Amino acid sequence: GESVGLHLPTLSVQEGDNSIINCAYSNSASDYFIWYKQESGKGPQFIIDIRSNMDKRQGQRVTVLLNKTVKHLSLQIAATQPGDSAVYFCAAPPMEYGNKLVFGAGTILRVKS
Amino acid sequence: EAGVVQSPRYKIIEKKQPVAFWCNPISGHNTLYWYRQNLGQGPELLIRYENEEAVDDSQLPKDRFSAERLKGVDSTLKIQPAELGDSAVYLCASSLVRFYEQYFGPGTRLTVT
Repeated sequence: GESVGLHLPTLSVQEGDNSIINCAYSNSASDYFIWYKQESGKGPQFIIDIRSNMDKRQGQRVTVLLNKTVKHLSLQIAATQPGDSAVYFCAAPPMEYGNKLVFGAGTILRVKS
Repeated sequence: EAGVVQSPRYKIIEKKQPVAFWCNPISGHNTLYWYRQNLGQGPELLIRYENEEAVDDSQLPKDRFSAERLKGVDSTLKIQPAELGDSAVYLCASSLVRFYEQYFGPGTRLTVT
């Protein structure tokens, strides 16, 4: 069945270091893969998306890598800051379900000062 | 620009009681979503509206949950009667052009005792 899952439930990094958050997906038919960030007490916030015909996309301090061969997605955060502490979700819209996002369980990122 | 507004932020009720959540999406966003987020999990879609039409309510437990979006703007999600398992955060989101770029409200944390 459709699932989007994460390898590491919790990631602790030192402030200033780079963070890498990983995600595995099972549905190869998704056109997009999306990352959301959820801070404590807030709703998820869209970070960045990548189309299935790309293998890399860069944003502001973030880079998304997509490896369709092994169905793996990663979010890299450069120079991690305390404000990056949050739960990060990867999400994918299964094509057979139309415009519907399926979220993974999330990875907790803790930034140590 | 104001974000998605939800109220109340917190609600504690006894089981078998009714409860209602309200959402005001971002102005101009035609698509509105209601999600449920259980502790330690990603959001799960309950219902999606395109303007005033519910286009995907396949995950909405219709025996006790109902929703409406009169005039295609504000929306209300109701549970009657509430059960212990309904304790969760109920999130409202809206989107404009790209369905996967959704803007979430802060959510309503429901506790059923």
